[in-house]
Amino acid sequence: DGGITQSPKYLFRKEGQNVTLSCEQNLNHDAMYWYRQDPGQGLRLIYYSQIVNDFQKGDIAEGYSVSREKKESFPLTVTSAQKNPTAFYLCASRASSYNEQFFGPGTRLTVL
Amino acid sequence: GENVEQHPSTLSVQEGDSAVIKCTYSDSASNYFPWYKQELGKRPQLIIDIRSNVGEKKDQRIAVTLNKTAKHFSLHITETQPEDSAVYFCCYSGNTGKLIFGQGTTLQVKP
Repeated sequence: DGGITQSPKYLFRKEGQNVTLSCEQNLNHDAMYWYRQDPGQGLRLIYYSQIVNDFQKGDIAEGYSVSREKKESFPLTVTSAQKNPTAFYLCASRASSYNEQFFGPGTRLTVL
Repeated sequence: GENVEQHPSTLSVQEGDSAVIKCTYSDSASNYFPWYKQELGKRPQLIIDIRSNVGEKKDQRIAVTLNKTAKHFSLHITETQPEDSAVYFCCYSGNTGKLIFGQGTTLQVKP
């Protein structure tokens, strides 16, 4: 599985709620990424972090927040400000000396 | 801005035929061009990648070509098999490692 885990696999959210998606890696990778995938679409970058305690906005960061307090962990919070959060969320990590990104299995978020 | 156009959006071939997917990117500073295969409901898996100092790379039935001048790169799959059926994404990135994804090509290989 490439050493990247995401939980939960499925998540249901009521409107107005914040939810947090977990991403953990044991690959000792410095960089971690969050992507969103809508049906029939490519992946779009939400946030990324190249080192601990630092992160940058991607192309669609509005309504999302992240933290990077530990090298192994990069949780994503979907806030109530994100008006259309139903999507497949993928986390990825990369060693700083290599280009390849390794993806986690994903979390499918549905707003009820 | 950062953008990659991918064509075709769907591709249907007979088993044993070849399949070609083409992409055009916008950022001339790009230096890494991976291709991912994604099966329904699964995570993307890297199938082949190429760096900007290489024009072509081959791995068994899969090959990728890169034309940096024209900002084009292509995926070629020969002797297609039903298990090749999936969505394929072209991508590119620069020094930050940010991946810019194409919209995807749904490949169907008919037995």
